[in-house]
Amino acid sequence: DQQVKQNSPSLSVQEGRISILNCDYTNSMFDYFLWYKKYPAEGPTFLISISSIKDKNEDGRFTVFLNKSAKHLSLHIVPSQPGDSAVYFCAASVSGSARQLTFGSGTQLTVLP
Amino acid sequence: GAVVSQHPSRVICKSGTSVKIECRSLDFQATTMFWYRQFPKQSLMLMATSNEGSKATYEQGVEKDKFLINHASLTLSTLTVTSAHPEDSSFYICSARDRLFNTGELFFGEGSRLTVL
Repeated sequence: DQQVKQNSPSLSVQEGRISILNCDYTNSMFDYFLWYKKYPAEGPTFLISISSIKDKNEDGRFTVFLNKSAKHLSLHIVPSQPGDSAVYFCAASVSGSARQLTFGSGTQLTVLP
Repeated sequence: GAVVSQHPSRVICKSGTSVKIECRSLDFQATTMFWYRQFPKQSLMLMATSNEGSKATYEQGVEKDKFLINHASLTLSTLTVTSAHPEDSSFYICSARDRLFNTGELFFGEGSRLTVL
């Protein structure tokens, strides 16, 4: 049973445009969400996070939106750059769980020059 | 930022041998480290939680005797794949959280690609 789902395995976007990566979750106990970026043969790199008390968090070109009622979060990258091409994982955790993360299956983003 | 280092990054071994992968937090102390396994085009699957000074906590379906975890210090955890078989070939990744900061952010190692012939 996948508690964190990324239904789009891949996404292609033109350079300069917006990239929107989506993530859905089923466990209502999740209250902390993170996005990681991963290049091939490397470990994931933390991008941005959001607590369930917020519905938006912004950091430079990256913005994460959280819709708790829909159990949905999204990562917006504006403007997209070729260097953003990577696999993006969303992850979720429950407070007090030693921050064990449950990961989605990832979305391969390709930004075309 | 915080750095987690894994070694080796790539290892090829013969079936039946054991392989040790190290995970080090370079500029912070971690009482807890996590070991993940990633199959091609799939998510990171948590294998076990490594606790400094105590036994690791394994996820359901992960064989404790197969994947030995030792968290001997606040900066080092090791994963030993014992009697490796070709089906153990995978990308293994560790992560650690700074014990001083109770945030959700985990810092990941670069990963270790294991190929068992």
